[in-house]
Amino acid sequence: RKEVEQDPGPFNVPEGATVAFNCTYSNSASQSFFWYRQDCRKEPKLLMSVYSSGNEDGRFTAQLNRASQYISLLIRDSKLSDSATYLCVVMWMDSSYKLIFGSGTRLLVRP
Amino acid sequence: NAGVTQTPKFRVLKTGQSMTLLCAQDMNHEYMYWYRQDPGMGLRLIHYSVGEGTTAKGEVPDGYNVSRLKKQNFLLGLESAAPSQTSVYFCASMDRANEQFFGPGTRLTVL
Repeated sequence: RKEVEQDPGPFNVPEGATVAFNCTYSNSASQSFFWYRQDCRKEPKLLMSVYSSGNEDGRFTAQLNRASQYISLLIRDSKLSDSATYLCVVMWMDSSYKLIFGSGTRLLVRP
Repeated sequence: NAGVTQTPKFRVLKTGQSMTLLCAQDMNHEYMYWYRQDPGMGLRLIHYSVGEGTTAKGEVPDGYNVSRLKKQNFLLGLESAAPSQTSVYFCASMDRANEQFFGPGTRLTVL
């Protein structure tokens, strides 16, 4: 079983739609959680951190459920520019501060 | 600030050849990482460093070596390239808030 699992998609949605991605992780000792965005043939960039109480940044909302070991990302009012691959990332808080990446969920927003 | 830079951007090698990928960061970060990204597999950690003069193995270290002689530089070496090492290589450094900043990547093809 992969340590971080995501539905690869693609999710094909019209502009203005609301779309949600889920991600599950296997290591209950995981301490920090993130969503990264990766555009085609580009490097990943941090979209947002995920806090235990949930957090919102504009049209983006991230939630964490430690009991069920999953993380979610909700995108409201999708824009064409939201088309990208969204990577779910967990961090183990040992001395290495290693990030474990999911394979990513691809989002296509159509006009 | 240039952030994280990588050289070269592209390279084609023949099986058995050697090469070194250079990663440089100007953000004074202690932690640096080397990943490879293959289709459908997400980013996998090759080696990482928690400070100048230190290195450690990640998930897929075989066939690679690294050095961190200066805080700002993290070198990844391939001693004898194999076709299985065809991939996109990303370097990253991490700040105190646990955000990783990635370089633009090196696209390596081994024939």
